[in-house]
Amino acid sequence: EDKVVQSPLSLVVHEGDTVTLNCSYEVTNFRSLLWYKQEKKAPTFLFMLTSSGIEKKSGRLSSILDKKELFSILNITATQTGDSAIYLCAYGSGSRLTFGEGTQLTVNP
Amino acid sequence: DAGVIQSPRHEVTEMGQEVTLRCKPISGHDYLFWYRQTMMRGLELLIYFNNNVPIDDSGMPEDRFSAKMPNASFSTLKIQPSEPRDSAVYFCASSMTSGVQNIQYFGAGTRLSVL
Repeated sequence: EDKVVQSPLSLVVHEGDTVTLNCSYEVTNFRSLLWYKQEKKAPTFLFMLTSSGIEKKSGRLSSILDKKELFSILNITATQTGDSAIYLCAYGSGSRLTFGEGTQLTVNP
Repeated sequence: DAGVIQSPRHEVTEMGQEVTLRCKPISGHDYLFWYRQTMMRGLELLIYFNNNVPIDDSGMPEDRFSAKMPNASFSTLKIQPSEPRDSAVYFCASSMTSGVQNIQYFGAGTRLSVL
């Protein structure tokens, strides 16, 4: 059975810290790996990584994909309180996404 | 674009009542997904449609749940009769076929409480 495992499940840091969130996957028909940020409402798209795009960066956020070792990481540098959210990892297979449990990140001032 | 629009935002009902959740996908998107999110089980895919046709409903928990997509701009998820264990946040998402693109865009969700 395909699955996505995220770690840690929760993380508490201070403003300015750098965090690394992990996502490992076991899938039979990998096409893409996506990261979403969920604050109080809907998940919002951050990055998509595929075989042709294994590293993405946007401001303080960056993500890499290791297709050989079947994992991805999401890095956030110089964290801010606004980064507090649940970060969801999902793999794409065909048209559907399968999500991990998420990492609850709390950034304290 | 207004994004994916869901209604109502909150629904409180009593056990046994029928509940209907509504979704308007992003214009031009040909896939529509219904998810349920709970603390225990995370974000689960219930059913998804392509060009208004249900493709995979294996995530629908039981016969009390049904979903329809009568046209490209509207879908409903119905629970009849509702039970307390159905309490969750229900999300609708849409995406567009484009090579390997799987980016789904989510609505704000409907928080359902069944008393």
